[in-house]
Amino acid sequence: GENVEQHPSTLSVQEGDSAVIKCTYSDSASNYFPWYKQELGKRPQLIIDIRSNVGEKKDQRIAVTLNKTAKHFSLHITETQPEDSAVYFCAVHNYGQNFVFGPGTRLSVLP
Amino acid sequence: DTEVTQTPKHLVMGMTNKKSLKCEQHMGHRAMYWYKQKAKKPPELMFVYSYEKLSINESVPSRFSPECPNSSLLNLHLHALQPEDSALYLCASSRGTTENTEAFFGQGTRLTVV
Repeated sequence: GENVEQHPSTLSVQEGDSAVIKCTYSDSASNYFPWYKQELGKRPQLIIDIRSNVGEKKDQRIAVTLNKTAKHFSLHITETQPEDSAVYFCAVHNYGQNFVFGPGTRLSVLP
Repeated sequence: DTEVTQTPKHLVMGMTNKKSLKCEQHMGHRAMYWYKQKAKKPPELMFVYSYEKLSINESVPSRFSPECPNSSLLNLHLHALQPEDSALYLCASSRGTTENTEAFFGQGTRLTVV
């Protein structure tokens, strides 16, 4: 089955700096890669996603890059703000399969 | 309406109780999911329903029994749970298991087994 690794497990950055979180996966047939943000006590919410036919996608301060050959994808957050502090989960999906989540990264943005 | 609604938000139950968790969505999604999430861990898949049929059961103990009465509703029946079953139970839905679109999560039911 699919195996998803995520690094780092914790990340602290100063407000205004950039944050990068990387996920690797094992199944080359996987073709959809969402990122979820989960604040304490709340539900996971999609912040950005990318499909396998695209190498990069950007939405304001958030971007995702995908390297299908190397089987990894990364979340980039620029100009971080305290409200970006949360746990971020990457996920991997393949047709007919379930979403497999990475173990999560706890991001702390220090004012 | 892009909401997945779960009830109750909190539930405390004894090990001999029977209770049910409920989930509802009106987005026309044909895939619905139950996840269990322990503190500081990712959501862990329990069950997947596709077109109201159980398509994935991740070797979940029989004290958890899912039910999909119709395309908008998903229940999780609980019986004879153990304290280690205490967790946040998340329901999610997506357009379909064969479509690469996001899963929408409910706010969860925080379950405590005493």
